[in-house]
Amino acid sequence: SQQGEEDPQALSIQEGENATMNCSYKTSINNLQWYRQNSGRGLVHLILIRSNEREKHSGRLRVTLDTSKKSSSLLITASRAADTASYFCATDDSGTYKYIFGTGTRLKVLA
Amino acid sequence: GAGVSQSPSNKVTEKGKDVELRCDPISGHTALYWYRQSLGQGLEFLIYFQGNSAPDKSGLPSDRFSAERTGGSVSTLTIQRTQQEDSAVYLCASSLAQRVNAAGELFFGEGSRLTVL
Repeated sequence: SQQGEEDPQALSIQEGENATMNCSYKTSINNLQWYRQNSGRGLVHLILIRSNEREKHSGRLRVTLDTSKKSSSLLITASRAADTASYFCATDDSGTYKYIFGTGTRLKVLA
Repeated sequence: GAGVSQSPSNKVTEKGKDVELRCDPISGHTALYWYRQSLGQGLEFLIYFQGNSAPDKSGLPSDRFSAERTGGSVSTLTIQRTQQEDSAVYLCASSLAQRVNAAGELFFGEGSRLTVL
């Protein structure tokens, strides 16, 4: 079964607004990653946060990690129409290289 | 090549036929993953290979599914006696993972879309 669950399943916002997506997972992890997928094809890595980190920034992206709650959030600030995509979190099965992906959030940014 | 290459990009087959999907990972990447994604759904883990270790096959849905990785590079996912529920996009990813605590970014191919009629 999938380790990560994301919410909301779908999100529709206006260009310029911020978008927040949440991810919950079930077991201990070494790191958590966020990926973006356009048009149901290949995924592109966005950001990785390690279990000993609480927050990380990359451009307009901000990721937080709360290992006590087994949850993470991805914030995209000042969204653009080009940010329209599906976003997935992925967690490693602690002690292995096995990555399990969440169910994804479909983001639509309206121009 | 510069990225992960998968072939074929699209495959239409008849129920009961066998199919082979190929993945060429990024040169030097020791870890290789196969995932399955049904329409509008998340990624379902199938199998991963790490160096010379025995593969983790825990995600393969049935014994009709198998995968091999030859010479630590190219991988082939084989589905025997295909069923309509096998229709999905099969995604391959590779990673330069040297040890557990250095496990990092996965690089994905564009996927192979399988349609079973």
